[in-house]
Amino acid sequence: EDQVTQSPEALRLQEGESSSLNCSYTVSGLRGLFWYRQDPGKGPEFLFTLYSAGEEKEKERLKATLTKKESFLHITAPKPEDSATYLCAELYSGGSNYKLTFGKGTLLTVNP
Amino acid sequence: EAQVTQNPRYLITVTGKKLTVTCSQNMNHEYMSWYRQDPGLGLRQIYYSMNVEVTDKGDVPEGYKVSRKEKRNFPLILESPSPNQTSLYFCASSIAGGRTGELFFGEGSRLTVL
Repeated sequence: EDQVTQSPEALRLQEGESSSLNCSYTVSGLRGLFWYRQDPGKGPEFLFTLYSAGEEKEKERLKATLTKKESFLHITAPKPEDSATYLCAELYSGGSNYKLTFGKGTLLTVNP
Repeated sequence: EAQVTQNPRYLITVTGKKLTVTCSQNMNHEYMSWYRQDPGLGLRQIYYSMNVEVTDKGDVPEGYKVSRKEKRNFPLILESPSPNQTSLYFCASSIAGGRTGELFFGEGSRLTVL
C-alpha cells in the first residue's frame, strides 16, 4: 500500500531556530511530491510541488528538497506565524484518478 | 476571489438522519474531490469527480454518495449517517484533472453524528 510517512509528529522551535521536517514515501515511479500547510480550522493550502530527485523549491523561509526516497521541508529562522501543520503528499495515478496520498503531518509550533 | 465554499461548516446530527454537505467552487475547475480528516489517520479521499456527470470512489466511499450535475457544485450526501462518520470533511478542486496535484481546499465541515 502506498505510504507517506512524516516525522517528527510535532516540533517545537524558538523563533529563529532553523530545522527540517521529513517526508518519506514508498511508491515507485513518483509522479509528484507535494507540501501543504494547514492552519487550525482551515483547509490545507498548497506550498510546493517537486517532481524529481535533486529538485528544490523556495518560498520565503521555507525550502523543499527531494531525494529518491524522501523530501525535506527546511525552515530557516522561523517566525511564530510559521506555526501550522505541514502536510506532505504523493500523487497517485490509477485509471482516471489522480489522488493525493497524504501523510499525517508535522505540527510545528514556533515560540516567540 | 477564487475559493471553494462548503456548507455547513459545523453540524451535529443524529444517527440515520440524512444530510448533505454542499461544495461550490468559482474557479471553473473540472476536477473536484471530497476528503475526510481524522486524528491519526490523516486526509483520506472519499469520492472524486473528473467532470460533470463523472464521479468515482476514492479510498473510503462507504456510507457516502455524491453527484456532479453542474461543474461548480459537488455535494456530499450521507444517506444514513452513523457515528463513525463523525469527522472533518474537506472539498477540494483542481485544474487539469487533478494531475498537477495542486488542490484548492475549502474551509472544512465538521460533522458530529450522535
